[in-house]
Amino acid sequence: QQQVKQSPQSLIVQKGGISIINCAYENTAFDYFPWYQQFPGKGPALLIAIRPDVSEKKEGRFTISFNKSAKQFSLHIMDSQPGDSATYFCAASYQGGSEKLVFGKGTKLTVNP
Amino acid sequence: DVKVTQSSRYLVKRTGEKVFLECVQDMDHENMFWYRQDPGLGLRLIYFSYDVKMKEKGDIPEGYSVSREKKERFSLILESASTNQTSMYLCASSFFGAVNTEAFFGQGTRLTVV
Repeated sequence: QQQVKQSPQSLIVQKGGISIINCAYENTAFDYFPWYQQFPGKGPALLIAIRPDVSEKKEGRFTISFNKSAKQFSLHIMDSQPGDSATYFCAASYQGGSEKLVFGKGTKLTVNP
Repeated sequence: DVKVTQSSRYLVKRTGEKVFLECVQDMDHENMFWYRQDPGLGLRLIYFSYDVKMKEKGDIPEGYSVSREKKERFSLILESASTNQTSMYLCASSFFGAVNTEAFFGQGTRLTVV
């Protein structure tokens, strides 16, 4: 049973464009929703995270939008840059921490110059 | 600078061998995790440990075991390696029970079983 569904599997955008990655979850007990960024040859690293008591969180060019009623959340990358090319994973967990993080299957983002 | 270190970047092992993957963290984290990463399947949890000598199965524990004798070290053991265990293995660590805590990942071990 896949608890976090992520789409699209791959995404190509032009430099300066907006990249949007979507995730949906099933378990209403989830209370922590991080996004991880992974560059080739590296382990994933935390990019940005949100808790369900807010609908949006912005850090620089990266924004998480959260819709609790729809059980969906998304990552928006504004003014996408070639350096943003990476694989992005959404995730969810409960108990407020990273115990048993459940990951989506990942989105490979390519930003063309 | 926080660090999770996996002992090998690349490993090639033969079918049936017993394989040890080692992970060490220097952040005094209680939680440690082993994930497996495969194309199109994302990161799948194999085992995690929230304390020394404590462990819990993740989503895909079959064919694996773990050992945590010291807080900073978490080992993944493939009892009898098989070709379907060829994969990227990622170790991670985090604080236990902290709100909004971050999981820190190692760089991964790419294991090939021939």
